[in-house]
Amino acid sequence: GENVEQHPSTLSVQEGDSAVIKCTYSDSASNYFPWYKQELGKRPQLIIDIRSNVGEKKDQRIAVTLNKTAKHFSLHITETQPEDSAVYFCAASRNSGGYQKVTFGTGTKLQVIP
Amino acid sequence: IAGITQAPTSQILAAGRRMTLRCTQDMRHNAMYWYRQDLGLGLRLIHYSNTAGTTGKGEVPDGYSVSRANTDDFPLTLASAVPSQTSVYFCASSERVGTEAFFGQGTRLTVV
Repeated sequence: GENVEQHPSTLSVQEGDSAVIKCTYSDSASNYFPWYKQELGKRPQLIIDIRSNVGEKKDQRIAVTLNKTAKHFSLHITETQPEDSAVYFCAASRNSGGYQKVTFGTGTKLQVIP
Repeated sequence: IAGITQAPTSQILAAGRRMTLRCTQDMRHNAMYWYRQDLGLGLRLIHYSNTAGTTGKGEVPDGYSVSRANTDDFPLTLASAVPSQTSVYFCASSERVGTEAFFGQGTRLTVV
């Protein structure tokens, strides 16, 4: 089955600096890669996603890159702000028997230091 | 109801007891999922449902059962709770395969 590895597990950055979280996946059939942000005590919420036919996607201060050959994808947050502090999960998804088989990474706790 | 709602938000349960976690969505999404979230392990899929009337096993299904009698509701039942089922449980739904999943607010379950 799919295996998604996420690094680092914790990340501290100064406000205004950039943060990068990296994930690798094993199943070459995975074709949808969402990123979720989970604030303390709250539900995970989608912040950006990318499909396998695209190499990069950007939404304001957040960008995601995908390298299908190497089977890795990364989340980039620029000009970090204290409200970016949260746990971020990557995921790899594929169609399996008619349902969306989603495998999550183990999460990265990002702390932005004011 | 707006979006996807879970009940209860938290529960302390004696081992051996039966418990049903409720999940309801009003977005008319076809697919629904139950995940458990444990520290250091991320989110792991317990059961899923492609559409009303169908269910399937995820990564960690043992000790859990689900039903999908209609589009809106997807309850998760623990037949006889054990301490290893202490976790935060999230229900989620998506419009179709390969689209964004919307999560409920979670249920924190403690089995003692």
